[in-house]
Amino acid sequence: ETGVTQTPRHLVMGMTNKKSLKCEQHLGHNAMYWYKQSAKKPLELMFVYNFKEQTENNSVPSRFSPECPNSSHLFLHLHTLQPEDSALYLCASSQDDGSYEQYFGPGTRLTVT
Amino acid sequence: GDSVTQMEGPVTLSEEAFLTINCTYTATGYPSLFWYVQYPGEGLQLLLKATKADDKGSNKGFEATYRKETTSFHLEKGSVQVSDSAVYFCALSDQGAGSYQLTFGKGTKLSVIP
Repeated sequence: ETGVTQTPRHLVMGMTNKKSLKCEQHLGHNAMYWYKQSAKKPLELMFVYNFKEQTENNSVPSRFSPECPNSSHLFLHLHTLQPEDSALYLCASSQDDGSYEQYFGPGTRLTVT
Repeated sequence: GDSVTQMEGPVTLSEEAFLTINCTYTATGYPSLFWYVQYPGEGLQLLLKATKADDKGSNKGFEATYRKETTSFHLEKGSVQVSDSAVYFCALSDQGAGSYQLTFGKGTKLSVIP
């Protein structure tokens, strides 16, 4: 595997379910990100981890819970979601070298029913 | 706060037509500027970047010049192909803000027809 991978690619869940999204980067980067992409809205940054420490949390509801066990893996735990949480969830990574270039995974298309 | 404004889409062009997608920004510091592209069913890919005023980023026939005086970073390509059909995002990172965030525009969908 190369680059940034995300699993699953598609997920349908009910509002009472608990599920997790997984992201893995094979680039040796030390920063990882979760974004939400909804139709006709700009990308919304949700969480940032740098050297496994969470450095940003952009007022995301507590029904989204991130986990970063090491610099290569990032999870997004989901519980009691709402239909408006349906979106494409993108993971990205970057090297903390001031270049700010982020490399994105293909995303998980989430549908909440 | 920082913001990026790009032209509303969708944009539909015939193959070999000239492309311009406008992008303007506001930032508190000295941003680097980026264009990302998202092909159907995929994540975003960095297309090109410029880190200081008057820099020109280029890749795959696309170009954009960092214009500080007009706070713009318009994307251009002289002759588009069907394979260029995608959504294009303008973005900035503000090094003066001291964070790792990129601020994105809403995206412009480009469709190129044969």
